[in-house]
Amino acid sequence: GQNIDQPTEMTATEGAIVQINCTYQTSGFNGLFWYQQHAGEAPTFLSYNVLDGLEEKGRFSSFLSRSKGYSYLLLKELQMKDSASYLCAVMDSNYQLIWGAGTKLIIKP
Amino acid sequence: EADIYQTPRYLVIGTGKKITLECSQTMGHDKMYWYQQDPGMELHLIHYSYGVNSTEKGDLSSESTVSRIRTEHFPLTLESARPSHTSQYLCASSDPRDTGELFFGEGSRLTVL
Repeated sequence: GQNIDQPTEMTATEGAIVQINCTYQTSGFNGLFWYQQHAGEAPTFLSYNVLDGLEEKGRFSSFLSRSKGYSYLLLKELQMKDSASYLCAVMDSNYQLIWGAGTKLIIKP
Repeated sequence: EADIYQTPRYLVIGTGKKITLECSQTMGHDKMYWYQQDPGMELHLIHYSYGVNSTEKGDLSSESTVSRIRTEHFPLTLESARPSHTSQYLCASSDPRDTGELFFGEGSRLTVL
């Protein structure tokens, strides 16, 4: 079956750096997405990786290793507003999105 | 800026009622989706559409139905609501010619008493 694994919850301190990992096993691969979802709101797009390597976008970076079935989202200079759930999703060979359960990130002052 | 709208945002109804959740997008996207999500839980795909007159069932067994008569409109209907239908319903759209990034509406939170 298809599976996406990410930690359920993480805690970090304001101003610090945090890395949220995602491992996947899917039938085919057509890209990996990271979304941010604040409590009670809809997910918003953060990043897309289809080739191996690091994609940087401001304070957020996303890394992909297709051979390892692994990705991470790196958040730098954490702010209180970064407290949210971070969802990893993989597009399989049928161009269907397989979603992880999300990682709840708690930022402490 | 994403232009996808859902109504109602919040709805409380009694068991057995028929309801329709509306979703419209102005981006001309062919692909549209309905997801169900309980608080703190993962997204479950219940229906999707590749374009006009196309509807498909998702992974989650659902007693709802959808229609796609126009590109911009993808309503979800529950013929007879039950308390187990209490959840958040998220509509999304994507352009298959692009990366496949989903644009989400703000969601419809349904409570069935």
